[in-house]
Amino acid sequence: DAGVIQSPRHEVTEMGQEVTLRCKPISGHNSLFWYRQTMMRGLELLIYFNNNVPIDDSGMPEDRFSAKMPNASFSTLKIQPSEPRDSAVYFCASSPDYNEHFFGPGTRLTVL
Amino acid sequence: AQRVTQPEKLLSVFKGAPVELKCNYSYSGSPELFWYVQYSRQRLQLLLRHISRESIKGFTADLNKGETSFHLKKPFAQEEDSAMYYCALKGQGAQKLVFGQGTRLTINP
Repeated sequence: DAGVIQSPRHEVTEMGQEVTLRCKPISGHNSLFWYRQTMMRGLELLIYFNNNVPIDDSGMPEDRFSAKMPNASFSTLKIQPSEPRDSAVYFCASSPDYNEHFFGPGTRLTVL
Repeated sequence: AQRVTQPEKLLSVFKGAPVELKCNYSYSGSPELFWYVQYSRQRLQLLLRHISRESIKGFTADLNKGETSFHLKKPFAQEEDSAMYYCALKGQGAQKLVFGQGTRLTINP
């Protein structure tokens, strides 16, 4: 198993553009989490899904952020429009039991 | 509210010296506590959890409910311990983890 897969690994875009981050969880894991990592705030939970259903999106910073999980093997995090303060590393993680998280390699987003 | 505090953003110690990464939490019930580690160019991964009461790579962590702490300790640091360390908390019946801000540990030769 390749583990959690994220794409792209790096994204550089200009302010105002739409950004879509993708995640493929580990097969059989029923929970999926999106985190944002910054120097100032560390790891922040943005949203998580259980059995493809969004459970808690209270960490989503504002309406510019949206996330979907159309099936058990795919999730997207979209930012529209993007702003420079969105620059961060975005991690996807999946879990079979809400205890151990299995993290993807992350997507480093730079918004100019 | 659930909160995890790692007071040191950066920690630097010499090889062979003891190391302690501090973690304090705020939670009214009985939490589950974890330490995650991210080595250079590797994924964030679970290092240990308090319910396992095990030593991983020479690291141990004891949950102190009186002091609401879960400090990570190792008696003799090694260069390969250099990494980013995150303390995390899961509340009773909760489905998500709350992470601290992380501590970057550097082991000097």
